[in-house]
Amino acid sequence: KAGVTQTPRYLIKTRGQQVTLSCSPISGHRSVSWYQQTPGQGLQFLFEYFSETQRNKGNFPGRFSGRQFSNSRSEMNVSTLELGDSALYLCASSLQGAETYEQYFGPGTRLTVT
Amino acid sequence: AQSVTQLGSHVSVSEGALVLLRCNYSSSVPPYLFWYVQYPNQGLQLLLKYTSAATLVKGINGFEAEFKKSETSFHLTKPSAHMSDAAEYFCAVSDPGGGADGLTFGKGTHLIIQP
Repeated sequence: KAGVTQTPRYLIKTRGQQVTLSCSPISGHRSVSWYQQTPGQGLQFLFEYFSETQRNKGNFPGRFSGRQFSNSRSEMNVSTLELGDSALYLCASSLQGAETYEQYFGPGTRLTVT
Repeated sequence: AQSVTQLGSHVSVSEGALVLLRCNYSSSVPPYLFWYVQYPNQGLQLLLKYTSAATLVKGINGFEAEFKKSETSFHLTKPSAHMSDAAEYFCAVSDPGGGADGLTFGKGTHLIIQP
């Protein structure tokens, strides 16, 4: 079974731009969660989607948004990029819900904002 | 709200020695607990999980962890360290009742293996 895939793997953007990251979960998994990983703040939960609905949301500004499609693929969007948005963005999928079932992580998208 | 504390941002052990990575949690309900490992430039890989069954949990690569409710701890151990164990390790907690925080991770412990 193929694992979680994320595209692109690396991205360089300029302050003020917007960016869209993509995540394809493991086949059959209905839950997709997004995390931001930085050296200073560590791993922080962004949001979780389940069957195309946002079920949980972390403490991030509204510039961070996401969506999930009927095939469970998910995208996250960051608008008006700031230098502090530079991070590794990880996507994770699970069968049912992030809080109950183990999550399988993708390799991440490394975003650099200049 | 739940939280996780990993004692020691860096732990160094000799190859063949015991590995002990400490994790303490705070949760208002019986939690689910996880240990993940992250190798450079990779995502996280699940090592093991505790979901209210046996308190001693065995995982992959020879790792195990013991859930101790009285100590609110979930320390990760491996009897004999191998060079390939060098990586970042994260302890995580979730609220199986449907908390709004997804997984809450500790800050991570960088495991260094000395030859």
